[in-house]
Parts: sequence; structure tokens; C-alpha cells
Amino acid sequence: ETGVTQSPTHLIKTRGQQVTLRCSSQSGHNTVSWYQQALGQGPQFIFQYYREEENGRGNFPPRFSGLQFPNYSSELNVNALELDDSALYLCASSPRDRGLGGELFFGEGSRLTVL
Amino acid sequence: RKEVEQDPGPFNVPEGATVAFNCTYSNSASQSFFWYRQDCRKEPKLLMSVYSSGNEDGRFTAQLNRASQYISLLIRDSKLSDSATYLCAVNIDPAGGGADGLTFGKGTHLIIQP
Repeated sequence: ETGVTQSPTHLIKTRGQQVTLRCSSQSGHNTVSWYQQALGQGPQFIFQYYREEENGRGNFPPRFSGLQFPNYSSELNVNALELDDSALYLCASSPRDRGLGGELFFGEGSRLTVL
Repeated sequence: RKEVEQDPGPFNVPEGATVAFNCTYSNSASQSFFWYRQDCRKEPKLLMSVYSSGNEDGRFTAQLNRASQYISLLIRDSKLSDSATYLCAVNIDPAGGGADGLTFGKGTHLIIQP
């Protein structure tokens, strides 16, 4: 069974640029969520995708957007990067439809540094 | 008041000791509760779900107190490998659909000393 995989693992961008992060969910999981974890903080919910549609969103501005594909993989796009976007971006998949129950399986994350 | 609060620690505990820490949550509509473990510069991993009746998994015991709105984690006979950050997480989606995501605390840093 393949776990959640994310790419790239590390990247550096400059303020104002755009970034795309990718995630492959664990085999059999159809719900994908994205979280942002700043240094010293807990993960913060960005949004969740189920059946290729966003079905929940946290307190993040519209420049954070995403996609889910028919194979349940997902992308997180961030436009107009700001310094405060520097963080570990975690993708998580859930073994239950729509994330019912809340058990999440995280990938190793993409560490974004914005200069 | 923050939605989910934890004592950041660090908790320095000798190997073999018992350690417990709590996590308080502010939203009484919270439905699901979890403890995650996160090693340094790694991803969080689900440690255990917390049920109303409490649950135990080996050396780990989790309990929920709805009246006082907190969950607890007890680790018995602590091992060096238990050193990590322990994150509590709460799902406040009343429909149970998970669409509001999990709300995490900042984590409690635990250091087991030989």
C-alpha cells in the first residue's frame, strides 16, 4: 500500500511568485486535505477536496486554490506569494468518504521558503 | 480564547515515568477528537482517536471530558522513543463530514530523558 506522497519536498520562491505543490493520496483514499504548518505552530486547515470538488475551506485567502483529479491526486496553488507563506505544506488523505471521522494520513510535506 | 489550546512544554520526563497532558477546546459543538504525534521536521502521524468512553492502546490512554471541554493523553512507562511533539486535534463539523477540517493545537513538546 502506497502512502501519501508530496512533491517537491523543498522549494524556495521569491515574493510575488506563484507555486504549485502536488500530492498523491494513499491508495483507496478519495478525500484530500491541505494544511499549512508554520514553525512552532500546529497545522492549519486550508481546504479539503472530495470527488474533485472543494467541500470545505479554512481561513485562507482566495490566492490559495486547489484541484483534485479523477485519480484523487491533488494540487495546491498559491499565487502572489508573501513572506508569511513560508511554511510546511502538508497534504493528508482520509480513508473515509468526505473525511468523516477525521482520521488523517499525512504526507511528508513540502517545505516552502519565500524570500 | 484560542479554539484548541495546549501547554507547549517542554515536558522533561525521566525514562519509565508516567506523563500526562491536556488539551482544551472552546467549541462545545466539537464532535471528534484525536491525538497526533509529530517528530522533529516530520509529518504528524495519528496516535489515537479519543472516544467518549476513553480508550487505551498499550501504554497510551486517552480520555475526553465534554463537560470541561478537554481531552487528555497519558503515557505510562515512557520510552526514549516517545520524545516528540504531541498535537491534539478537534473536528467541529457538526455534520461529521469533516469539511471544516481538523483544528490543531500548537502541540506539547515531550522529552524523555535517560
